[in-house]
Amino acid sequence: EAGVAQSPRYKIIEKRQSVAFWCNPISGHATLYWYQQILGQGPKLLIQFQNNGVVDDSQLPKDRFSAERLKGVDSTLKIQPAKLEDSAVYLCASSTGYNEQFFGPGTRLTVL
Amino acid sequence: AQTVTQSQPEMSVQEAETVTLSCTYDTSESDYYLFWYKQPPSRQMILVIRQEAYKQQNATENRFSVNFQKAAKSFSLKISDSQLGDAAMYFCAYRSAKTSGSRLTFGEGTQLTVNP
Repeated sequence: EAGVAQSPRYKIIEKRQSVAFWCNPISGHATLYWYQQILGQGPKLLIQFQNNGVVDDSQLPKDRFSAERLKGVDSTLKIQPAKLEDSAVYLCASSTGYNEQFFGPGTRLTVL
Repeated sequence: AQTVTQSQPEMSVQEAETVTLSCTYDTSESDYYLFWYKQPPSRQMILVIRQEAYKQQNATENRFSVNFQKAAKSFSLKISDSQLGDAAMYFCAYRSAKTSGSRLTFGEGTQLTVNP
């Protein structure tokens, strides 16, 4: 079974630029999560999708972050414009909803 | 809101020895799940072990076992016969059982070093 795929693996941008991350969950997993992991901290949920609907986006900074999951499969997370404090690893995870969450390798973002 | 606390930022153990990582949590819910995840350097997060709160029996997975104390809201991970490949960041995580697929709330992590 293929795991959760994410791209790119690394991204370096200047502050105020825009960036987008892509995630393809495990086939058949209806629930998709984006977590932000700042260096030295545990991951924090940004947004959760059930199929193509948003279940929880309470911790998403909506003035600069947006996410979509068209057709209930893959998802894109965008930051526009980026700030220095957005430097982090962005983790995508998926699950059937009843089992464990499976994580992708993450995208490491550096904002200069 | 639920919180998870890992009070040991770093731990070290000699190869073949046993080490215990601590985790406490705070919740007003009675039904939930607890997890330990392992995150090796530059590699993805993988599940080590999971515990359902309604189960009194402590979960065990090969060399990994937990000590779940529901009343004390404590959930420690014991790694027996430590191996070099166990070196990683370990995260304790909480998930409510109220709704399926709810978010994971993570602790700050414990960096485990295994010395040969």
